[in-house]
Amino acid sequence: AQSVTQPDIHITVSEGASLELRCNYSYGATPYLFWYVQSPGQGLQLLLKYFSGDTLVQGIKGFEAEFKRSQSSFNLRKPSVHWSDAAEYFCAANDYKLSFGAGTTVTVRA
Amino acid sequence: NAGVTQTPKFRVLKTGQSMTLLCAQDMNHEYMYWYRQDPGMGLRLIHYSVGEGTTAKGEVPDGYNVSRLKKQNFLLGLESAAPSQTSVYFCASTSRGQYSPLHFGNGTRLTVT
Repeated sequence: AQSVTQPDIHITVSEGASLELRCNYSYGATPYLFWYVQSPGQGLQLLLKYFSGDTLVQGIKGFEAEFKRSQSSFNLRKPSVHWSDAAEYFCAANDYKLSFGAGTTVTVRA
Repeated sequence: NAGVTQTPKFRVLKTGQSMTLLCAQDMNHEYMYWYRQDPGMGLRLIHYSVGEGTTAKGEVPDGYNVSRLKKQNFLLGLESAAPSQTSVYFCASTSRGQYSPLHFGNGTRLTVT
């Protein structure tokens, strides 16, 4: 069955440190891939998307993601985390139906 | 720009009561969706619409009904609320189908006691 897996439920990172959130997908062909962020009490906001082409995708708020076909992964990274990056992050994939991962909650400590 | 607006923001229902959640978008989007968000489960699609007057079932449609009488509005109804429907509900819209990024509302937190 098609699925999106985010292996980490919760990650704690120090402000200024780097962040990497993992996402794996299980699809027959490469789907369209997205990362969304959800701040408390808010809806989801698109960070970045991958359809084809360059496997390193730049998004908003200083985030980037790397698509690796061989690993069926689309991991999200940020070189230096700010306290405002504390939120829940969702990976999503779409071939004919959009599916979301369960989400990773990021806590930023001072 | 208002984007996607959901009303109400919060609601508490007793088991068996009914209610309607309203989603309105001002972006002239064709596609609209209702999701529910539960801890540890991400977002699950309840129903969706690919245009005015059309609706279709998603992953978890049981216990819900929808209507899209006007292009800008997508209504989600609970005819007889159950505690299992306690959740946060999100509406989303997009112009070109699910291959395009979704625009989300801020959610409705529903508690069924």
